[in-house]
Amino acid sequence: GAGVSQTPSNKVTEKGKYVELRCDPISGHTALYWYRQSLGQGPEFLIYFQGTGAADDSGLPNDRFFAVRPEGSVSTLKIQRTERGDSAVYLCASSLSIRDSPLHFGNGTRLTVT
Amino acid sequence: DQQVKQNSPSLSVQEGRISILNCDYTNSMFDYFLWYKKYPAEGPTFLISISSIKDKNEDGRFTVFLNKSAKHLSLHIVPSQPGDSAVYFCAAKDYGGSQGNLIFGKGTKLSVKP
Repeated sequence: GAGVSQTPSNKVTEKGKYVELRCDPISGHTALYWYRQSLGQGPEFLIYFQGTGAADDSGLPNDRFFAVRPEGSVSTLKIQRTERGDSAVYLCASSLSIRDSPLHFGNGTRLTVT
Repeated sequence: DQQVKQNSPSLSVQEGRISILNCDYTNSMFDYFLWYKKYPAEGPTFLISISSIKDKNEDGRFTVFLNKSAKHLSLHIVPSQPGDSAVYFCAAKDYGGSQGNLIFGKGTKLSVKP
């Protein structure tokens, strides 16, 4: 499959634990994005990468959230000291470039914090 | 404060008829608009886009209309098919700001009845 791959598809964790969510973008796509979708809402921007660097992380809600893309391909979203309010579907997307290029989304990781 | 608003949470249409989904925005700096379709347990799929220099873009059964003075866009689906049943998200981008940041509405759930 040539689409954006996200793992795991579902993650249940206890409050206070650390989680990592993985995204494997479409091959050749230089831009990678993380969004979060809560119930009844549209996707909300978290961060995007152009290559290895985070070009805009203004959507990260607080310093418990961090994302990396060390080799310009796979990205990991890391959440420390999870809270129940972090429960949501975390969507990853990639695009060929930033401009004039639609985002291709993965199926998301559903995170549930108990 | 929501910058992209989809005021109808749901819409029901008979197969073969026209579906019209509406979207309003508040930020006059938005200059690129997109529609995404989302099935349950899947990520959003890009459908159609329009630049602010145009007022209409057509792709098969899907047409997007943009009225900049009213800050309003709409997606027309003709003829509607049962497979079109999904949640439709309107999204906007400001090229003057962060180019990676798409702002989504809350979505409209379309049901096309056979």
